[in-house]
Amino acid sequence: AQKITQTQPGMFVQEKEAVTLDCTYDTSDQSYGLFWYKQPSSGEMIFLIYQGSYDEQNATEGRYSLNFQKARKSANLVISASQLGDSAMYFCAMREGMNYGQNFVFGPGTRLSVLP
Amino acid sequence: NAGVTQTPKFRILKIGQSMTLQCTQDMNHNYMYWYRQDPGMGLKLIYYSVGAGITDKGEVPNGYNVSRSTTEDFPLRLELAAPSQTSVYFCASSSITGTQETQYFGPGTRLLVL
Repeated sequence: AQKITQTQPGMFVQEKEAVTLDCTYDTSDQSYGLFWYKQPSSGEMIFLIYQGSYDEQNATEGRYSLNFQKARKSANLVISASQLGDSAMYFCAMREGMNYGQNFVFGPGTRLSVLP
Repeated sequence: NAGVTQTPKFRILKIGQSMTLQCTQDMNHNYMYWYRQDPGMGLKLIYYSVGAGITDKGEVPNGYNVSRSTTEDFPLRLELAAPSQTSVYFCASSSITGTQETQYFGPGTRLLVL
């Protein structure tokens, strides 16, 4: 079974609008972390935001926020006020465990295109 | 701070050759990771380390070895290169403060095995 599901292979959004990128995860662990990354066409990997499973508040980082719904096992990324530079691949990932025995899995990604 | 640096940026290997991918971070992070990214895919964890002298396997460790003799350096060794190891390799380190984690990535090493 897929541990991380990103159901939107591609998304379009108008500049200055908000967009939500979906991510659902599957784990039986109580302790896990959820990550979002951005990969522009240049190929670099950029960490965006992190949510720990015990954090009750949704994580926020500038224009990025993570809509964490634990019971639904969903960790959607919300980008507010989209900019042309936000056009990129976005990956959701989960780490199960912390020290020994880490299991780190990535989703297939969503390609976001921001339209002027 | 230079952050996370990786060398080389690009390398072509012949089948059966060996090489070491270098990774260094100057942020005094305990957690370090090696990932590979195949075309059109997300990253897969090869090895990770939670501190100097402590390493463990990730999802795809076969054909690779690591060592962590210092906090700063986390080299990845490829023995007997195979075409299946053609990929982009990313090294990363993590800063963990309370329940908050922030990851920092190197620029990547593009490896082609022919």
